[in-house]
Amino acid sequence: DTGVSQDPRHKITKRGQNVTFRCDPISEHNRLYWYRQTLGQGPEFLTYFQNEAQLEKSRLLSDRFSAERPKGSFSTLEIQRTEQGDSAMYLCASSKGGMNTEAFFGQGTRLTVV
Amino acid sequence: AQSVAQPEDQVNVAEGNPLTVKCTYSVSGNPYLFWYVQYPNRGLQFLLKYITGDNLVKGSYGFEAEFNKSQTSFHLKKPSALVSDSALYFCAVLGTGGFKTIFGAGTRLFVKA
Repeated sequence: DTGVSQDPRHKITKRGQNVTFRCDPISEHNRLYWYRQTLGQGPEFLTYFQNEAQLEKSRLLSDRFSAERPKGSFSTLEIQRTEQGDSAMYLCASSKGGMNTEAFFGQGTRLTVV
Repeated sequence: AQSVAQPEDQVNVAEGNPLTVKCTYSVSGNPYLFWYVQYPNRGLQFLLKYITGDNLVKGSYGFEAEFNKSQTSFHLKKPSALVSDSALYFCAVLGTGGFKTIFGAGTRLFVKA
């Protein structure tokens, strides 16, 4: 499978716990994105990496959220001290460089905070 | 700021009939527009994009989209709907800076047999 893969697919956690999600992009893609999607809404941009550099973070990304892409390959998204409002689908996507290329999405990690 | 609007929460169409899912955009500069589809329990899938050139763009699964600059619209169309086309459709635009994709709220398409 050469698509974007995300792990885990589902995560249930208690409020206050930390969680970490992993994303493996398409191998030749140097751009990687994290989005969040809640029920009935379109995906909302969270952050963007070009290779290992994190170039933009949305205001949606509070201090409890951190993302890394240490070697310009896979990426992790960590949420510390989870809150019920963090419950959502977290989507990872990747694309080639350039102005006009579409993003390819993984199946997402569904987070439920209880 | 770049944005897209999808005025319909839901579109219902009978199998075999043509379908249209509407999208309007607001951008500064030339728009880079996309349509994505989301099936239940599956990730977003790219359908088609408009960058430049012909106003009618053809994409996957028989879908096409018509770019209309004067009406700032990018409607998704298909000549003959299938029940299997039932899904959530998102219009999107490339944001300022040219890297992030900004999505509309989505339109749910129901195709009835």
